[in-house]
Amino acid sequence: QVQLQESGPGLVKPLETLSLTCTVAGGSVSSASSSWTWIRQPPGKGLEWIGDSGSTNYNPSLKSRVLISVDTSKNKFSLKLSSVTAADTAVYYCARGPFYDSWSGYYIGGWFDPWGQGTLVTVSS
Amino acid sequence: EIVLTQSPGTLSLSPGERATLSCRASQSVSSSYLAWYQQKPGRAPRLLIYGVSSRATGIPDRFSGSGSGTDFTLTISRLEPEDFAVYFCQQYGSSPYTFGQGTKLEIK
Repeated sequence: QVQLQESGPGLVKPLETLSLTCTVAGGSVSSASSSWTWIRQPPGKGLEWIGDSGSTNYNPSLKSRVLISVDTSKNKFSLKLSSVTAADTAVYYCARGPFYDSWSGYYIGGWFDPWGQGTLVTVSS
Repeated sequence: EIVLTQSPGTLSLSPGERATLSCRASQSVSSSYLAWYQQKPGRAPRLLIYGVSSRATGIPDRFSGSGSGTDFTLTISRLEPEDFAVYFCQQYGSSPYTFGQGTKLEIK
């Protein structure tokens, strides 16, 4: 059973870079059957997809500031979000998905399962 | 970008009742690429339904999804106390993937 755990600083200063890591247990980040995703939720608000590790697939609203990378040697994947402002304060979740057929590479679907527990990142000086 | 609008914003029902939650898309969701999640306070969302109507592993059969095109529905046939939570729909037919704003299901 795949389990995910986010880690990283809970407080980031404005205009600095937010860096988070997601550790994957019970599965492999190099699996051909899925990509790995970051999603965020500002306090009391809805969910926003940030991007995933497949083909640098990022939300256009954040694309100029986002980098998602995978470290297969440590079975982790990471998020870097540059030039943060107070609007980037949110709970950040990592999740598995989208999903692909492991033989053909055919896209099966972009749902997310499972999710990490989430980590609150506050942008403040 | 596909905008998903969920209704109602809040739904007040009693245990044992039937809940019907709506998710409307600003344009057709291709290939029925729609999912539903449940989120409880302080917890991560949990996948309930994918592909409009397929239940995720371990999800009770009182949860069902339906719909096509731009109109989708999550139905909970008989509410259990643990079902009171916030529910989100999500489309993955086109990038960027987007979520609805959520429906809060509260105990009446």
